[in-house]
Amino acid sequence: GAVVSQHPSWVICKSGTSVKIECRSLDFQATTMFWYRQFPKQSLMLMATSNEGSKATYEQGVEKDKFLINHASLTLSTLTVTSAHPEDSSFYICSARPGLANEKLFFGSGTQLSVL
Amino acid sequence: DQQVKQNSPSLSVQEGRISILNCDYTNSMFDYFLWYKKYPAEGPTFLISISSIKDKNEDGRFTVFLNKSAKHLSLHIVPSQPGDSAVYFCAASIAGGADGLTFGKGTHLIIQP
Repeated sequence: GAVVSQHPSWVICKSGTSVKIECRSLDFQATTMFWYRQFPKQSLMLMATSNEGSKATYEQGVEKDKFLINHASLTLSTLTVTSAHPEDSSFYICSARPGLANEKLFFGSGTQLSVL
Repeated sequence: DQQVKQNSPSLSVQEGRISILNCDYTNSMFDYFLWYKKYPAEGPTFLISISSIKDKNEDGRFTVFLNKSAKHLSLHIVPSQPGDSAVYFCAASIAGGADGLTFGKGTHLIIQP
C-alpha cells in the first residue's frame, strides 16, 4: 500500500523556538496533503489542507502565521511551528492521498511535539 | 460541535467474541465513511470504508454497516483477536469534496484474553 513518511517522530524544544515537521509520500504523488493535530483523548482535528504549488487552506481557529505550511513538491509538505509554546505540545499527523477527493488517506506515523 | 460522534471512549471484549464499535454523525452531507485503527504514537491506518450507496461492506473479519436514516454506522470485528486492541476512529467525508476527513474522538478497544 501507499506509504507516507513523517519526520521527526518526536521532538522536544524550548519555548520560543521553531520546529519543522516533514511529510513525504514515498510511492505516489500527492497534490493534496493534510495536517492534523491530536490532543490526548481527543479526535484528530484538521488544521490545514496543503496544496502543491499554492497556499495552504487553514481551518477556522488555526493561526496561519504560527503554523507555516509549505508544499513545494508533489511528494513533500512541511509544517513549521513558529515560536512554539507549551500549549502547542501535541501529536501532529500528516496525511496524503494519491488521487482526488473521496479516496482513502494514508497517514504518516505522527510527530509528538513537546515544548518546554 | 462534533459532527462525528463516537460515544464510547472504550470497549472491552473477550478474545474470540464480536466487537461492535458505533459511530453517529449529524451532517447529512456526509456520504463516505471510513474506519481507521491507531496504535499509540503511530498514525492511523485505514481499515475499511463504505459509501452511502451501500449499507454493508465486508472485508475479512471486519464489516461496516451503515444506516443512513439513523445517521449511524458500526464496525463489527469477528472474531476479535488480541492484535485488534487499538483506538478506532470513525471518519466521514463529502463526496467530491476536497476537504480532509472529519473524525470522531475514537474508541479504545481492549481485547481480553
